Amino acid sequence: KNEVEQSPQNLTAQEGEFITINCSYSVGISALHWLQQHPGGGIVSLFMLSSGKKKHGRLIATINIQEKHSSLHITASHPRDSAVYICAVGNYGGSQGNLIFGKGTKLSVKP
Amino acid sequence: KAGVTQTPRYLIKTRGQQVTLSCSPISGHRSVSWYQQTPGQGLQFLFEYFSETQRNKGNFPGRFSGRQFSNSRSEMNVSTLELGDSALYLCASSLEGTGSYGYTFGSGTRLTVV
Repeated sequence: KNEVEQSPQNLTAQEGEFITINCSYSVGISALHWLQQHPGGGIVSLFMLSSGKKKHGRLIATINIQEKHSSLHITASHPRDSAVYICAVGNYGGSQGNLIFGKGTKLSVKP
Repeated sequence: KAGVTQTPRYLIKTRGQQVTLSCSPISGHRSVSWYQQTPGQGLQFLFEYFSETQRNKGNFPGRFSGRQFSNSRSEMNVSTLELGDSALYLCASSLEGTGSYGYTFGSGTRLTVV
């Protein structure tokens, strides 16, 4: 079992829809990161959080430390939001490195 | 401020050759981590350098090596290339790299081994 699980793996939405991507983890963490990767490869860090909730524009990230669960929400989705969203947890010193990654959620937003 | 710079962006090499990739971190960041990304395996950790010392290493063969210079720039080297080494190689810089601070990723080097 992977230490970081994301769901769903693939998500297709219509423009304007509210989107939720979930991340569950089974290890102790220092922080949780949400990353975005567009076709072409570059990864952009969206959020880093260790408690509560953060908001940036149409993106909202929440984390529940007790339940070891985080969600990324996109309000009023737009085709430019189409990308792979990756959840990663900070886990210092492990053989998987200081960040353990989920497999990613591929989001496609149709106009 | 300048982002993380990886060079080259694209590379085609022949099986058996060796390759060196470069990563220049954000000024002031002392930690540089390297990752291999393939469609089947996702992002896999290669190694992390902090203040010129390798601080952590993933489960890759010894053909994969790296180093970090006094200005925090890092290089990774892959010797005796195999077809399976074809991947996107990403580096990420962080202030101190423990996972508690933000990471900034480069655009990656896409390596194709033929």
